[in-house]
Parts: sequence; structure tokens; C-alpha cells
Amino acid sequence: DAGITQSPRHKVTETGTPVTLRCHQTENHRYMYWYRQDPGHGLRLIHYSYGVKDTDKGEVSDGYSVSRSKTEDFLLTLESATSSQTSVYFCAISDLAPPYEQYFGPGTRLTVT
Amino acid sequence: GENVEQHPSTLSVQEGDSAVIKCTYSDSASNYFPWYKQELGKRPQLIIDIRSNVGEKKDQRIAVTLNKTAKHFSLHITETQPEDSAVYFCAASEEAAGNKLTFGGGTRVLVKP
Repeated sequence: DAGITQSPRHKVTETGTPVTLRCHQTENHRYMYWYRQDPGHGLRLIHYSYGVKDTDKGEVSDGYSVSRSKTEDFLLTLESATSSQTSVYFCAISDLAPPYEQYFGPGTRLTVT
Repeated sequence: GENVEQHPSTLSVQEGDSAVIKCTYSDSASNYFPWYKQELGKRPQLIIDIRSNVGEKKDQRIAVTLNKTAKHFSLHITETQPEDSAVYFCAASEEAAGNKLTFGGGTRVLVKP
């Protein structure tokens, strides 16, 4: 597996609380992505980054923000968690040059009660 | 934006038989089509991919075909084995636009011994 870690791996939080998930890579890849996975929906892109301090929205970005201050770290923040944000969150990385494959981290299971 | 449809949602095959999963996409700008395998509780793992300048690609027992005109692509697994049991996802992206993957809803494959 590519050098990608996510923390925490599991988290239970209450509605209305802020939550930050961390993705850390050791591959020096330029692109980083956050996806959420829900039954019947496959994986859906939340936000992505194409470099330090360069981020953009994905398909389901409402209620989420991201930051990337270093090449190796990409943070996903839920400012005020809701039950609809209960999901498994995957980080992925990709290089700028071919072959462009995206490699996924181990995932974070988040439960909002 | 891109929309990817995947069929069937579940597939049960006898060990040794072939399995075929089909996907359609909507955005003619998409030029990269990966397939991921996800075992229960694990991260998605890239198993094969194809680019729009190629019509077919093979890797041992798995093959992918692409029909750009019809905007559909398929995964073929021959001589299925119990370890092929997993959820398979197709995806599509435009590599030059950040390689943001749009996933299909997934196919749960069960290989019966």
C-alpha cells in the first residue's frame, strides 16, 4: 500500500460538534482527495487539493472544509457535525505525472449521534 | 458533471465461471476509467484501468473494455475464484482536470465454491 495514513480510524461524536480528520502521505504526491462512502452511493468526492494551499470543491462539499498547509497533510473539517455526515471517509493521493492512479488510505469511520 | 451508472448491483457466480460488470458514463471529456476492488472493511484497491486511447486491456484473469462512442466500459473476470468475492467499483475522470473520480454505485460479487 502507498504511504497513506488516516487519523483517527474511528470516531463517535455528537451532533453540533466540530470534527477534524487527518490524512498524511509519505509519497510526496501533489494531489490529495477526500471521499465519503455510503451504502448505495459508492464513493463521492468531497474536496480535493492540487497543491499546498490549493483546494477545490467536489460533488458533496456542503458542510465540509479542508486545508492543506504542507504537501503531506490534508485535513477535512466538519464545522458542526450532523447525523447525515455519518459515513466512512477515505483519503486518496495521486501524482501529477502518469500513471495518475489514485491510492486510498485505510479510511475513517465517523458516527455522529 | 459526470454521472456513472454501474450494473448489476449484485452478482453471484459459480467458481470457475466468468463475471461481467458494466458501467456507463455521461461526460465525453472523461478519458480515464479505473476499476477498484474493495473487500469488507478495507480500502478500495486499484485492480485495472484503461484510458480512452485504448479499447481493451488485460491483466491475467481480468480485462477491461471501453467503447467511447457508446460511453460504456466493462470489467471481465474469468475463471473466478472465491477470493474474487468483493465489491467492485468503476469510476471515470478527466485526467487533465485534476483526475477527480466519479464512481459507480458498486457491484457486490459473490463467488460460490
